[in-house]
Amino acid sequence: DAGVTQSPTHLIKTRGQHVTLRCSPISGHKSVSWYQQVLGQGPQFIFQYYEKEERGRGNFPDRFSARQFPNYSSELNVNALLLGDSALYLCASSPGTSASTDTQYFGPGTRLTVL
Amino acid sequence: GNSVTQMEGPVTLSEEAFLTINCTYTATGYPSLFWYVQYPGEGLQLLLKATKADDKGSNKGFEATYRKETTSFHLEKGSVQVSDSAVYFCALSGHNTNAGKSTFGDGTTLTVKP
Repeated sequence: DAGVTQSPTHLIKTRGQHVTLRCSPISGHKSVSWYQQVLGQGPQFIFQYYEKEERGRGNFPDRFSARQFPNYSSELNVNALLLGDSALYLCASSPGTSASTDTQYFGPGTRLTVL
Repeated sequence: GNSVTQMEGPVTLSEEAFLTINCTYTATGYPSLFWYVQYPGEGLQLLLKATKADDKGSNKGFEATYRKETTSFHLEKGSVQVSDSAVYFCALSGHNTNAGKSTFGDGTTLTVKP
């Protein structure tokens, strides 16, 4: 089975622009989470979606938004890009139960550079 | 809120040395605890997990025991190999949340020299 896939792999934008990142979960997984990983730090939770509904949001500004589609794929949108948005954006999928014991499966990430 | 603190790196060891990477956490209730590994140029992979106190997670020779009394989940391996060189992340998912909202430490870089 294919793992979690993300596109694009790399992206370069300038300040003030908008970006859309895409994620396809493992087949059968209904939960998708987004994380931001700044160089030298651990991933920080941005959003979780389950069955097309937002299940949680981390401490990120309203410039960050996301959605999940009927096929459980997901998009992360970031408006009015700032230099500080430069990071690796990770998508993770899980079967979608509400358990804290679930295993998350991570994609390879999208490397966003804001100039 | 929840937090995870890992020992600062980088850690450099010779092949066959013993490895310990310390991880302590702050959380209410009984979180689930995880170790993830990130090999150069690759994404995060789950290494092992433990979901209740005194559980021991193990995989690929790595072990970690969920210690509620010391709020710790230290990663150990008896004999490291060059191929273990990677960044290791300790993480937790809260008792009343799910694993999709995990809190991560800042990672510890391990380099194993032949």
